[in-house]
Amino acid sequence: DIQMTQSPSSLSASVGDRVTITCRSSQSVFRFLDWHQQKPGKAPKLLIYGASNLESGVPSRFSGSGSGTDFTLTISSLQPEDFATYYCQQTYSTPRTFGQGTKVEI
Amino acid sequence: QVQLQESGPGLVKPSQALSLTCTVSGGSISSGSYYWSWIRQPAGKGLEWIGRIYSSGGTNYNPSLKSRVTISVDTSKNQFSLTLSSVTAADTAVYYCARERPSTSSSDYWGQGTLVTVSS
Repeated sequence: DIQMTQSPSSLSASVGDRVTITCRSSQSVFRFLDWHQQKPGKAPKLLIYGASNLESGVPSRFSGSGSGTDFTLTISSLQPEDFATYYCQQTYSTPRTFGQGTKVEI
Repeated sequence: QVQLQESGPGLVKPSQALSLTCTVSGGSISSGSYYWSWIRQPAGKGLEWIGRIYSSGGTNYNPSLKSRVTISVDTSKNQFSLTLSSVTAADTAVYYCARERPSTSSSDYWGQGTLVTVSS
């Protein structure tokens, strides 16, 4: 299985801050890397697919970068509705695997 | 707009089988080149991929659960199902169904999730 490691596990930030979350895979997943946002009691929501492509309807303050084993999710200016947990997921091979999550708190 | 909805018992006894169904609306489960997945999340923990099925019936399972998991599809009802046998308390989780789209294999539509508790 491909292991996914996110950092940090949690972070505290303020509205308007620039936030960066990193994800590392145990082997190359090329650009088969997605980012999901999950709010309490809700299903995950796809934000970024293929490492850097913004899913339809997702605000442009979200961006993704990287390839191979190192990836980054950036929120350029944190908004109140962005406080949530973020997961990376590799879609290169099965079993699909997720990072452990990064909780973004106020 | 595609929608997915999980259904099934919320309480299962230890050693019994857990069975859930995901009903797809807003599109045919047989159209396109989509895979249909099950993912679970224990309370306060991360996401675990269980497996997926193609409309033709081809499956992939997580090796950690493979001996206990069966995913099936009923195209006439536009549904796919999960059966997990010999459950223990460790199988208590919110279970999600999701659609995996081709090209990037991204999970783009998710059900709202259903909590299954394993307890006597």
